[in-house]
Amino acid sequence: DTGVSQNPRHKITKRGQNVTFRCDPISEHNRLYWYRQTLGQGPEFLTYFQNEAQLEKSRLLSDRFSAERPKGSFSTLEIQRTEQGDSAMYLCASSPKIRQGSETFFGQGTRLTVV
Amino acid sequence: KNEVEQSPQNLTAQEGEFITINCSYSVGISALHWLQQHPGGGIVSLFMLSSGKKKHGRLIATINIQEKHSSLHITASHPRDSAVYICAVRGNNRLAFGKGNQVVVIP
Repeated sequence: DTGVSQNPRHKITKRGQNVTFRCDPISEHNRLYWYRQTLGQGPEFLTYFQNEAQLEKSRLLSDRFSAERPKGSFSTLEIQRTEQGDSAMYLCASSPKIRQGSETFFGQGTRLTVV
Repeated sequence: KNEVEQSPQNLTAQEGEFITINCSYSVGISALHWLQQHPGGGIVSLFMLSSGKKKHGRLIATINIQEKHSSLHITASHPRDSAVYICAVRGNNRLAFGKGNQVVVIP
């Protein structure tokens, strides 16, 4: 297992286009998280899944954003009608079922630039 | 006010110096993470701790639960330690992050 994998690493898109990012978590990690990080800021929570169920969504996740984890393995994050303010690093993380000692593992991120 | 505050925001040190960066949080937590982020964005987990102190190589992390404060120490700093160090706390099934400490170590 090579850790949490995100694709693509970089994406440049024109305003108004739709984009989709993929995250492959560590095998058998049933929790998967999406975070967004803008320049000079720490990551901000977007949403998380336990298996295929999306259990929590941040107010940051407007109706242009949708995330899925159809079989409880990989996840996709889609942004429709992109805006320049969507430019950010989108980070995926996974962890085993939460208990006191659960570690969280991060992917390399997808850097989105909307021009 | 952010749930997680880090200080100093920026720190420059000479190679070999002892570095301390700090994290204070305002919520109840089950664990605190120190993360390292290099240019290019990838995040590496350095420590997860819920009490006391952990050491890994030249890095030492401490946490005081009563004072809601954690420190990350880098001994014998090296230019390859230059990175953003992010403190994150676990509560309510997810992580809340600080803005990070930008550390630059000059040869």
